[in-house]
Amino acid sequence: SAVISQKPSRDICQRGTSLTIQCQVDSQVTMMFWYRQQPGQSLTLIATANQGSEATYESGFVIDKFPISRPNLTFSTLTVSNMSPEDSSIYLCSAGQYTEAFFGQGTRLTVV
Amino acid sequence: AQSVTQPDIHITVSEGASLELRCNYSYGATPYLFWYVQSPGQGLQLLLKYFSGDTLVQGIKGFEAEFKRSQSSFNLRKPSVHWSDAAEYFCAVGTINDMRFGAGTRLTVKP
Repeated sequence: SAVISQKPSRDICQRGTSLTIQCQVDSQVTMMFWYRQQPGQSLTLIATANQGSEATYESGFVIDKFPISRPNLTFSTLTVSNMSPEDSSIYLCSAGQYTEAFFGQGTRLTVV
Repeated sequence: AQSVTQPDIHITVSEGASLELRCNYSYGATPYLFWYVQSPGQGLQLLLKYFSGDTLVQGIKGFEAEFKRSQSSFNLRKPSVHWSDAAEYFCAVGTINDMRFGAGTRLTVKP
């Protein structure tokens, strides 16, 4: 199994600003993912964070709004840029091997 | 395209009663199926998974699930619910690079 730590666990931000969320895994993993969970909703995949190359974004998500870094096999960051109240969500980092995904505790973001 | 349906948005059961949470999936091949639990303010924890073999799978915290290919279902069960089981439960299908989640079922446990 893998233990995933996310920072910060929660934040309240002003609209128009940016927040970078960090995700640290306790072992080397090939795949890391970022999800968004809007209030009362299920999880939606934002992007797959690839080590050594650009992230792969799902439909409806763009790099300018959600830039992602993956400098090594244990770490990734997601930035939520130019925030608006609609970005208020829980952002979850996930990692794992082909058949099993592990999740961080999430970052609860409120944009005011 | 693969998809997951959890028909029940919210379920309330009494402590000690049995529980069944429904999950129906649509998938082109043999599915990989998962149940996750999310406690308030927490991330997702894997309860159990099915890849192949025995269609009745055992998980953590006394949960089990049964894969029924003919019904495209993967329902989660527990014989006796504890107050600490109150949480949001998500069914998911696919591999980790293409995982689809259901909308979730919120479980409330009455004393």
